Amino acid sequence: DGGITQSPKYLFRKEGQNVTLSCEQNLNHDAMYWYRQDPGQGLRLIYYSQIVNDFQKGDIAEGYSVSREKKESFPLTVTSAQKNPTAFYLCASSPGSAGELFFGEGSRLTVL
Amino acid sequence: LAKTTQPISMDSYEGQEVNITCSHNNIATNDYITWYQQFPSQGPRFIIQGYKTKVTNEVASLFIPADRKSSTLSLPRVSLSDTAVYYCLVGDVPWRALTFGSGTRLQVQP
Repeated sequence: DGGITQSPKYLFRKEGQNVTLSCEQNLNHDAMYWYRQDPGQGLRLIYYSQIVNDFQKGDIAEGYSVSREKKESFPLTVTSAQKNPTAFYLCASSPGSAGELFFGEGSRLTVL
Repeated sequence: LAKTTQPISMDSYEGQEVNITCSHNNIATNDYITWYQQFPSQGPRFIIQGYKTKVTNEVASLFIPADRKSSTLSLPRVSLSDTAVYYCLVGDVPWRALTFGSGTRLQVQP
């Protein structure tokens, strides 16, 4: 089945540790996105990528890093510089057309 | 990017029609209007997209007036399973960053 796969679904880490969240898509979409969602809040854009080997900062990129070495993959690293990393992280992709976003099921990160 | 304003929450009963309005006063000529639905602990799901006038699909209708400064998502005969958060997005996708607002929390009661 075509779709977006995020892993892990749940992740616990200690303060000061870097964490990498995986996002893989088999929809052949060019654009991929990472969003952060805090309880009761909307989605805030962290990073996005329009093509391989290129990405741009979103509204809240500080403390995060990404790479886009393959079209199918857009991993997000939550670094120790992110002051409040506990959140629900959502990956999405979109085709080169009217821009409907397809989302993964999310990764919930809890920093202890 | 066009800023959007939606009601924070709405309540309805099963079987009623629900209309959620989104205000986007500074919408640009190339911008589309897209609505998403999100259930707790899940990623948002596309509902409908339009540019002007009216768009209808199997789950909803989208009404856009001529000046395009607002749009209304219409959900006919809602059920309990329509309880969710609904987001309105405006942008000239796909090559621009897509920012979600806080959304409208719809609660459907029996």
